[in-house]
Amino acid sequence: AQTIHQWPVAEIKAVGSPLSLGCTIKGKSSPNLYWYWQATGGTLQQLFYSITVGQVESVVQLNLSASRPKDDQFILSTEKLLLSHSGFYLCAWSSGGINAEQFFGPGTRLTVL
Amino acid sequence: GDSVTQTEGPVTVSESESLIINCTYSATSIAYPNLFWYVRYPGEGLQLLLKVITAGQKGSSRGFEATYNKETTSFHLQKASVQESDSAVYYCALGPDSNNRIFFGDGTQLVVKP
Repeated sequence: AQTIHQWPVAEIKAVGSPLSLGCTIKGKSSPNLYWYWQATGGTLQQLFYSITVGQVESVVQLNLSASRPKDDQFILSTEKLLLSHSGFYLCAWSSGGINAEQFFGPGTRLTVL
Repeated sequence: GDSVTQTEGPVTVSESESLIINCTYSATSIAYPNLFWYVRYPGEGLQLLLKVITAGQKGSSRGFEATYNKETTSFHLQKASVQESDSAVYYCALGPDSNNRIFFGDGTQLVVKP
């Protein structure tokens, strides 16, 4: 069975500080990977997706970046956090294909002060 | 653009009552969108409740049903008799577009009173 793990579970950071959020998928080779973000009271929106190692496509510009250093790992980061980065970050995977459903991780709650 | 609009929550119903959460969509860049209902139970991650990939078809899971209506661009979620354990946040979604993007509604919090 496939499992998806996100870290950290929650983070409180200062404006201007760096951030790194991680996501690991076990039990699935070559998954499509996604990062989503939901501001408090806002809509869940897709930020990035990756079909293969080393390749990441940006969907929404939020002064964030993503990388896929390994087949099973997806990293979301920024060098300088903004207040507007606060929210809930979800990682998801799918097996690819036009009708493939996406499976979500437990999420990371980020508070920027 | 591509978007989803759903019933604004919270929606409060009593146990054993019927439920409908409305969802309408706009799919301007996706010729044949898939439609989804996702659910987040308290303390748990987002999970797929049901999906329908063909217009005119109905999907069902855990007593919930939704029919893909292309004429009215709707995908309403219904249940004949809700239980307290159905309390959760429900998200209607459509996709994927050419960027593999899924578009979510704002979510509807359902509160089922005993």
